[in-house]
Amino acid sequence: DAGVIQSPRHEVTEMGQEVTLRCKPISGHNSLFWYRQTMMRGLELLIYFNNNVPIDDSGMPEDRFSAKMPNASFSTLKIQPSEPRDSAVYFCASSSDPVWGREPRGGELFFGEGSRLTVL
Amino acid sequence: KQEVTQIPAALSVPEGENLVLNCSFTDSAIYNLQWFRQDPGKGLTSLLLIQSSQREQTSGRLNASLDKSSGRSTLYIAASQPGDSATYLCAVTTDSWGKFQFGAGTQVVVTP
Repeated sequence: DAGVIQSPRHEVTEMGQEVTLRCKPISGHNSLFWYRQTMMRGLELLIYFNNNVPIDDSGMPEDRFSAKMPNASFSTLKIQPSEPRDSAVYFCASSSDPVWGREPRGGELFFGEGSRLTVL
Repeated sequence: KQEVTQIPAALSVPEGENLVLNCSFTDSAIYNLQWFRQDPGKGLTSLLLIQSSQREQTSGRLNASLDKSSGRSTLYIAASQPGDSATYLCAVTTDSWGKFQFGAGTQVVVTP
């Protein structure tokens, strides 16, 4: 499998512009997570989906941020308008539903390579 | 709220020495605990996943233990190599959705 695929890998834009980050999860995974990583705050969970439905978006910093998952193989994270403080590495990750019981499996989280965003 | 702590924040060891990385968490009612490795400018690579009913997992030179009652996990890397230099992150999930809370990581340098 190709793993979690993110694009673009690098994005440099000016304040006020719209930014769209894209993610293709691992085939068969039904949970998708968007994280943001900065030196100051480490890894922060922004939003996650299960079976294409947003479950928790409490980590989305402001209304300028929005995320969609129109189907099982694609998700976007949009920032409009962008600000310099949005500069960070944005990661997408996916997992399959964990199975509990005598033979637990699943639930392992796999990350993409990230999209490094710089807002000038 | 679950808090995950990794101490020390940085560690330097000579090649060949065993590495011991610590992770502690405040809420012992976890579902999964996962260890990751992150190289500079790269994404996170999964190393080991320990589910709540398990006490340890092993993969090659890596061994991770889990003690839920004390809220601790330890990652052991045997016979360290310069290629093991990276940041190691611990993450736990306390819900069935798989929502992970991450520690800040331990930056490891293995000197030749």
